[in-house]
Amino acid sequence: DTGVSQDPRHKITKRGQNVTFRCDPISEHNRLYWYRQTLGQGPEFLTYFQNEAQLEKSRLLSDRFSAERPKGSFSTLEIQRTEQGDSAMYLCASSDDLSGGRTDTQYFGPGTRLTVL
Amino acid sequence: ELKVEQNPLFLSMQEGKNYTIYCNYSTTSDRLYWYRQDPGKSLESLFVLLSNGAVKQEGRLMASLDTKARLSTLHITAAVHDLSATYFCAVDGYDYKLSFGAGTTVTVRA
Repeated sequence: DTGVSQDPRHKITKRGQNVTFRCDPISEHNRLYWYRQTLGQGPEFLTYFQNEAQLEKSRLLSDRFSAERPKGSFSTLEIQRTEQGDSAMYLCASSDDLSGGRTDTQYFGPGTRLTVL
Repeated sequence: ELKVEQNPLFLSMQEGKNYTIYCNYSTTSDRLYWYRQDPGKSLESLFVLLSNGAVKQEGRLMASLDTKARLSTLHITAAVHDLSATYFCAVDGYDYKLSFGAGTTVTVRA
């Protein structure tokens, strides 16, 4: 078990370009989460997968953002037509199943730091 | 919407002294997490508190949860330099996701 991994670790792009990030969760975890963290703030929830199904999206996730988790394994987060306000650390986390809307301990990856010029 | 407030936001500690970080939250929950983040790094899980009155301890850190008061505390005993980091509390709001506080940035000075 090597933990949650994310790729790339850093991405610098020009405004208007599209970017895609990848997350590989801990192998036995069914749940996968994306969060965004800006400087001096706590992580903010973006979206959540149970296996391959995307079950919730935050209103922070505009139409320019899309996430997938094909086959319930790795996940990708794509941002189209990037804006300077998208600059942030994008964190992926995974966890075991719990019932009743609960979440077990979420284990975070190292994050992808996005800078939009 | 679940709101999570931490205080203080910044804490300058003197080595060897004791300090407490507070985490208040706005709606019912009986599941709360504490994470540590070093600069430029990801979040490391410290504690999970699962019920009213829960207390967990690891080294110089002790966390507790009072669900009636909607309050968790992280107590640091005899601070040492390697405890310098940002500490986040995160609350499970029964909606499959965590809501985080803004974090407490801790600096330990000699």
